Amino acid sequence: DAGVIQSPRHEVTEMGQEVTLRCKPISGHNSLFWYRQTMMRGLELLIYFNNNVPIDDSGMPEDRFSAKMPNASFSTLKIQPSEPRDSAVYFCASSFRLADEQFFGPGTRLTVL
Amino acid sequence: SQQGEEDPQALSIQEGENATMNCSYKTSINNLQWYRQNSGRGLVHLILIRSNEREKHSGRLRVTLDTSKKSSSLLITASRAADTASYFCATALQRAAGNKLTFGGGTRVLVKP
Repeated sequence: DAGVIQSPRHEVTEMGQEVTLRCKPISGHNSLFWYRQTMMRGLELLIYFNNNVPIDDSGMPEDRFSAKMPNASFSTLKIQPSEPRDSAVYFCASSFRLADEQFFGPGTRLTVL
Repeated sequence: SQQGEEDPQALSIQEGENATMNCSYKTSINNLQWYRQNSGRGLVHLILIRSNEREKHSGRLRVTLDTSKKSSSLLITASRAADTASYFCATALQRAAGNKLTFGGGTRVLVKP
C-alpha cells in the first residue's frame, strides 16, 4: 500500500481564495483524521470521520473550514475564504479503528499571503 | 495540563547515550501511543501500550506505563544521530462511543554526533 496520500504537498495562495486539500486514506481503514500543525499551537485535531461519517468537528476553528468524506477512499478539507493565520501544515491520518495506531500522510504545507 | 503532556519539552544528548522522555495524562485511557516526527514530515507510529500492560519493547525503544500515576515513559537506548526528531505521546481515552487520540505537545530530541 502507498500509505496515506495527500495533495497538494505545497499550496501558496492569496488571502480570500478558496483552498481545497485532499486525502486518500489507506485502503481498508475506517477512520480518517485531519490535523493542523503550527509552531504556536502544535498539533491540533480538526475533525475526524468513522465509516465516512463525521464524528467530531469541534476542532474546526471557524465556519470557513469544512470537511467531507464522500466515500471510503477520499476526503477533502476546504477553507473558504482563506486567511494568513490559516498558514500551517495540514496532515491527514487514517487508522483501522478509532483508537488504533494512526498512519499519517506527508502533509500539505499551506501558505496564505 | 493537557491530556498527554510530554516532559521535557526539549532534550539534547550525545550519540550513544540514552534518552528518556515522559508523558502524563489526566483521565483513564484505553491505550497510549508514541509517535516520532522528523522535521518536515508526518508523524510515524512507534509503539502502542494498552492500559493493562506495564512495559513494552521495540528494538531500542522501551515504553512503560503506570496507570496509577497516569504517566508513561519512552526510553531510547544507545541513541543515534538519526533519532533526532520530535516525539509525541497520544492517549486514547476510555469512552464507549469510540475514541480519538489526543496528542501532547511533544519532546524535541537532538542527538549530537
